[in-house]
Amino acid sequence: GENVEQHPSTLSVQEGDSAVIKCTYSDSASNYFPWYKQELGKRPQLIIDIRSNVGEKKDQRIAVTLNKTAKHFSLHITETQPEDSAVYFCAAGYSTLTFGKGTMLLVSP
Amino acid sequence: GAVVSQHPSWVICKSGTSVKIECRSLDFQATTMFWYRQFPKQSLMLMATSNEGSKATYEQGVEKDKFLINHASLTLSTLTVTSAHPEDSSFYICSASPRQSGTLNEQFFGPGTRLTVL
Repeated sequence: GENVEQHPSTLSVQEGDSAVIKCTYSDSASNYFPWYKQELGKRPQLIIDIRSNVGEKKDQRIAVTLNKTAKHFSLHITETQPEDSAVYFCAAGYSTLTFGKGTMLLVSP
Repeated sequence: GAVVSQHPSWVICKSGTSVKIECRSLDFQATTMFWYRQFPKQSLMLMATSNEGSKATYEQGVEKDKFLINHASLTLSTLTVTSAHPEDSSFYICSASPRQSGTLNEQFFGPGTRLTVL
């Protein structure tokens, strides 16, 4: 089955800095790679996703890159704000999703 | 749009009893729903895939007879935890996907159900 590794497990940045979270996957059949943001006690919310036929996707301050050859994908958040503080999960899959262990992002004012 | 509800939001039960959790897609039809389990400060672990009108597909290590899944309509899936024990205490989250052409689309998550078994 699919195995997704996510790093780092925690990330602390100053407001305005950029944050990068990286994930690797093992199954070359995976073709869908979403990123979810989960605030404490709340449901995961999709923030951006990318499919295997695209190498990069951007939505305002958030971008995701995918390297199919190396089987890794990354989330980039620019100009971080305190409200970006949350746990971020990457996931990969074809018919089902396998989630990474999550990254706790803390943005300090 | 794309709202998924889950009921109840929390439940406390005695050991040995059964608990039913409902997952509903409110404004779209979900041919596929997924059930996850999340331990504190941990990731989402897929338990099973629920397909409307057919048997659920369980992940390895998940007991079918303990976690009964029924997907009776395109907007409702239920998870019943049978003969619950304290180790079943967890946060259960469902998601729904308007799957198209066999490819995986965005999953919309419910708010989760906190189960505590005494």
